[in-house]
Order: sequence, then C-alpha cells, then structure tokens
Amino acid sequence: NAGVTQTPKFQVLKTGQSMTLQCAQDMNHNSMYWYRQDPGMGLRLIYYSASEGTTDKGEVPNGYNVSRLNKREFSLRLESAAPSQTSVYFCASSVRTSGRTTTDTQYFGPGTRLTVL
Amino acid sequence: GENVEQHPSTLSVQEGDSAVIKCTYSDSASNYFPWYKQELGKRPQLIIDIRSNVGEKKDQRIAVTLNKTAKHFSLHITETQPEDSAVYFCAAYDYKLSFGAGTTVTVRA
Repeated sequence: NAGVTQTPKFQVLKTGQSMTLQCAQDMNHNSMYWYRQDPGMGLRLIYYSASEGTTDKGEVPNGYNVSRLNKREFSLRLESAAPSQTSVYFCASSVRTSGRTTTDTQYFGPGTRLTVL
Repeated sequence: GENVEQHPSTLSVQEGDSAVIKCTYSDSASNYFPWYKQELGKRPQLIIDIRSNVGEKKDQRIAVTLNKTAKHFSLHITETQPEDSAVYFCAAYDYKLSFGAGTTVTVRA
C-alpha cells in the first residue's frame, strides 16, 4: 500500500497562474482533507470531503477550490495564485471510526511545497 | 469553532530528561485528541491519541493525559533520545480536527 500520495512534490508559480494539486489514497478511506502548513501556524484546514460526493469549507478556503473525483482522489485547485498562497500543502485521509466516542485518525501525504512569485 | 493553544513553542532538553508539552482547547464537545510528530521535511505522523472517556494513555516512553474539566491535555516524553527531536502537534476533534501551532523539541546530546 502506498498510503496517501501527492503530486507534484515541488512547484513554483507566478502570480496569477493556476494549478491543481493531486492527492490519492489506497486505504479505502471515506474522508479526505487538504491542509496548508505555514511557519508558526500549525496545520490549517482548507477544505475537506467527509465522503465521496461531498465537500465542505475548512478554516481558510478563500482562493481555493476542490474536487472529490472518486473515493480515492481529492484535488485542490488554485485558480489565480497569489504570494500569500506560498506554503506546504498536505493532503490527508481518514476512516471514520466510532464507538462510545468518535475518532478521526488522519494519515498524511508527503506534502507539496508551493512557491508563488 | 474549536481553538487549540499549544505551549511551549520551543523546548530544548538534555538527552535522558523528560519533555512535557501542554495544550488547551475551547470546545467542550471535542472528544478525540491526537498527537502528531513531524520530522524535518517529512509528513506529520500520529504517535499517540486519547479519547474523552479516558484520562491517561501510555505507549512506551510517551504518555498523554487529559483533563476534560479544565479542557487541557498534555504529552509527556520520558528518557528523551536524539530521535525525539521534531515538531509535535496536538489536535482536538469535534467533527473535524483543529491543530495547535506546534512545539519544536530539540534533544541535546
């Protein structure tokens, strides 16, 4: 099992360019997530997909769009990149387990380092 | 929404000593609290987690404690080793995970 994979690993864009970050998981997980990581700010949720066919905004969705293509794939699109979107982007997936309390163990991809000039 | 605060932001310890990282959360409905370790240039990886119906959990040299009344939880690493040097993130879950800002732990040989 590859787990969670992301492409590309690195990307440099000019302001105003567009691009799509790809994410795939082979763990048959229901839920998938996109985070950005900036120094001193931890991981901030951009968008998530609780199950195939649904997507919801997270903490910092402005400037991004997502597509849950199927159960395995969840892509993040920047329509018009800005320098403020320079960051490391992580995709994650989880299987919603439940018992007396709900857990949401998330498994992360290797990340995409994006620089917008 | 949930707000998770994490302290300290940096922590330097002598090899063999203990390290403690503390987090507080705001939403009393949060019911799951994982801890992630991120080595330089790598992805975050789950190292231990605790549910709201448990007060303490231990796994070899690491342990987590949870105080639901005070809304805080802590990570304890005993007998620290150089490979424990990393950034550690706490998180709280209420329908989605909210992360603390991270603690950079440096273990001095």
